Amino acid sequence: DAGVIQSPRHEVTEMGQEVTLRCKPISGHDYLFWYRQTMMRGLELLIYFNNNVPIDDSGMPEDRFSAKMPNASFSTLKIQPSEPRDSAVYFCASNRLLMFTEAFFGQGTRLTVV
Amino acid sequence: AQSVTQLGSHVSVSEGALVLLRCNYSSSVPPYLFWYVQYPNQGLQLLLKYTTGATLVKGINGFEAEFKKSETSFHLTKPSAHMSDAAEYFCAVIRQMEYGNKLVFGAGTILRVKS
Repeated sequence: DAGVIQSPRHEVTEMGQEVTLRCKPISGHDYLFWYRQTMMRGLELLIYFNNNVPIDDSGMPEDRFSAKMPNASFSTLKIQPSEPRDSAVYFCASNRLLMFTEAFFGQGTRLTVV
Repeated sequence: AQSVTQLGSHVSVSEGALVLLRCNYSSSVPPYLFWYVQYPNQGLQLLLKYTTGATLVKGINGFEAEFKKSETSFHLTKPSAHMSDAAEYFCAVIRQMEYGNKLVFGAGTILRVKS
């Protein structure tokens, strides 16, 4: 398996623009997570899905953030409109069973909003 | 709710010296604990995990961690540091929620290895 695949790896956008980050989880995994990593706040869980259904979105910072998982092999995280403080590395991770098992991470998308 | 605290945001050791990265947990139920490593510009990779059973857990790259309930600790160690161990290390715990469980990370410890 190729692992969790995220695209793009880097994104630079202007403030106010819409940004869409994409994730392909490992085939057969039931859970998908979106994390954000910054120097100030470390790793934050934004939202996670079980069988394509959002379970906990309490970590989504504002209504400008939204996430979807239309099928088992694809998820998006959208920011609209983007702001400079959204600059961070966004990670997607997946696993097969939440309890006791590791989460497999993608390589991340480094977002810079100027 | 379950949580972890990593002591020391930066640790510096000489090549060949012992590596000790500290993690303390808080949990009212038996915790499920993990150590992850993040190399520059990479995602996180699992080093080792503790669920049940043996309290000394061995992981990849010569790392190990010992679950100590009496001390609520899960410190990561390696007898001899290599230059390639320079990375950021995260301790994590499963937080059990009513509607599901999630993986919660500590703030991370950056390990520097000096030649």
